[in-house]
Amino acid sequence: GENVEQHPSTLSVQEGDSAVIKCTYSDSASNYFPWYKQELGKRPQLIIDIRSNVGEKKDQRIAVTLNKTAKHFSLHITETQPEDSAVYFCAAKAGGTSYGKLTFGQGTILTVHP
Amino acid sequence: NAGVTQTPKFQVLKTGQSMTLQCAQDMNHNSMYWYRQDPGMGLRLIYYSASEGTTDKGEVPNGYNVSRLNKREFSLRLESAAPSQTSVYFCASRRGQDPNQPQHFGDGTRLSIL
Repeated sequence: GENVEQHPSTLSVQEGDSAVIKCTYSDSASNYFPWYKQELGKRPQLIIDIRSNVGEKKDQRIAVTLNKTAKHFSLHITETQPEDSAVYFCAAKAGGTSYGKLTFGQGTILTVHP
Repeated sequence: NAGVTQTPKFQVLKTGQSMTLQCAQDMNHNSMYWYRQDPGMGLRLIYYSASEGTTDKGEVPNGYNVSRLNKREFSLRLESAAPSQTSVYFCASRRGQDPNQPQHFGDGTRLSIL
């Protein structure tokens, strides 16, 4: 089955700096890669996603890049703000008839210091 | 439009007790999922239902059963609770026609088994 590794497990940055979180996946047929943000005690919420036919996607301060050859994808947050502090999860959906099943990374705790 | 609603929000059980976690969505989604979230392990899929009338095992199904009661509702049952099942449980749903669509999560049920 699919295996997703996420790094780093914790990331501490100063307000205004950029933050990068990286994930690798094992199934070369995986074709959909969402990123979720989870604030303390809250539900995971989708912040951005990318499909395998696209190399990069941006939404304001957030971007995701995908390297299908190397089987890795990354989340980039620019001009970080204290409200960006949360746990971030990457996920991958295997190809074929997987009915949308996602395999999640272990999560990255991002702390943005004012 | 409430999205995905989970009940209860908190529950404490004794070892050996049984319990059903309820999940309902009002977005007319076809697919529904149950995850557990443990510290440092991300979200792990317990069971999923690709469509009304079907259920399948995920990554960690042992000790659990599910019922897709109708299109809206997907319940998770612990027949004989064990301390290892102490976790936060999330239900999610997805539209279904396009497998590359995001999953939407409920607020979670925090379950402690003594």
